[in-house]
Amino acid sequence: KQEVTQIPAALSVPEGENLVLNCSFTDSAIYNLQWFRQDPGKGLTSLLLIQSSQREQTSGRLNASLDKSSGRSTLYIAASQPGDSATYLCAVMQGAQKLVFGQGTRLTINP
Amino acid sequence: EAGVVQSPRYKIIEKKQPVAFWCNPISGHNTLYWYLQNLGQGPELLIRYENEEAVDDSQLPKDRFSAERLKGVDSTLKIQPAELGDSAVYLCASSLAASRGDTQYFGPGTRLTVL
Repeated sequence: KQEVTQIPAALSVPEGENLVLNCSFTDSAIYNLQWFRQDPGKGLTSLLLIQSSQREQTSGRLNASLDKSSGRSTLYIAASQPGDSATYLCAVMQGAQKLVFGQGTRLTINP
Repeated sequence: EAGVVQSPRYKIIEKKQPVAFWCNPISGHNTLYWYLQNLGQGPELLIRYENEEAVDDSQLPKDRFSAERLKGVDSTLKIQPAELGDSAVYLCASSLAASRGDTQYFGPGTRLTVL
């Protein structure tokens, strides 16, 4: 059974810092890996999607990497801003059908 | 483009009462998902529809939960009777086609509190 783990569970950093969120998964037979953002009381917003054949994806200040063989992904956020405060969720897709989520990292950016 | 719409946004009921949640997916999206999200956890899939057909309901507690997707558009998730442990956020998502691993778009969720 696929298990997805995110470390740390919570992170608080001052504005302007670069930071890295970690995600690990136990079964490397994945279709893709996605990073989502969830704001309090709201649904999930897809940030980046990395296909299993890719190594990384970039969108603005966000960069996600994937090392399928070691079962790891990282989300790098450059020059963090207070508006980046949210919960970040990592999810792997099994067989192009089912998303398995980690428990999330709650990020707080302090002005 | 309108996103995934869910209603109600919040629901408070007493245990043993029935409750229903409604979802309207993004227009043209054939695949619809219902997820359960407990506090401090990631979402867990309850059921997935391809058009009108429920193709993955292995995680749906069928003794008290039911779902339907009439005409392959809107969907309703029902709990009867509700238990204290059902308190959670119920998320609906849709995608163009699951077989291609398309991005899933999520609604805001319905927060259920069972007293």
